[in-house]
Amino acid sequence: AQTVTQSQPEMSVQEAETVTLSCTYDTSESDYYLFWYKQPPSRQMILVIRQEAYKQQNATENRFSVNFQKAAKSFSLKISDSQLGDAAMYFCAYRSAWFSTGTASKLTFGTGTRLQVTL
Amino acid sequence: DVKVTQSSRYLVKRTGEKVFLECVQDMDHENMFWYRQDPGLGLRLIYFSYDVKMKEKGDIPEGYSVSREKKERFSLILESASTNQTSMYLCASSSPQSGARYSYGYTFGSGTRLTVV
Repeated sequence: AQTVTQSQPEMSVQEAETVTLSCTYDTSESDYYLFWYKQPPSRQMILVIRQEAYKQQNATENRFSVNFQKAAKSFSLKISDSQLGDAAMYFCAYRSAWFSTGTASKLTFGTGTRLQVTL
Repeated sequence: DVKVTQSSRYLVKRTGEKVFLECVQDMDHENMFWYRQDPGLGLRLIYFSYDVKMKEKGDIPEGYSVSREKKERFSLILESASTNQTSMYLCASSSPQSGARYSYGYTFGSGTRLTVV
């Protein structure tokens, strides 16, 4: 079974600064997806960024980028130029890339990191 | 705008009551999921369904059951609510392409915070 570990329960960053959230995972599969989700106080889970394991290039979405180290099974999220609206719970998640008929590929989540953004 | 709608945002129930949490999606997604979210534990999968009337247990199915009679609706049932089922419940849906690689994420509802007293 796959596991996802987020070792930082809480992080704090000043507005306009850069912060990195850590995530490690364990799997015996070679093909999979990794995700970072954001959950603001509204509770709506929002997909921040997605990484395909077979791609060596790190994914980037505007101010959000990842450092994907497949051999080390590490998937960290970097938020640049932090904004007050970035304050939220951030979840790292894993999913297998392939599945067969009659099953559904499940997301396995880490325990989350609460990010505070200060002025 | 595509949606996953959970019928209640907050719910308070008494111990021993039978509780229904409803989830409806309008995206014609095959897969639907129920997660439970607790502080320090993240999101844990309770049940999921990959087709109408089909269901599979997730990681923590004890004390729960599900129903999927129509493609768009997935219900979570607490047969006899207990205080340790006080939690946030999140529904999600996704669309697979059977047997093929896909890269879609999930679409989540905005959660039901259930308190059992």
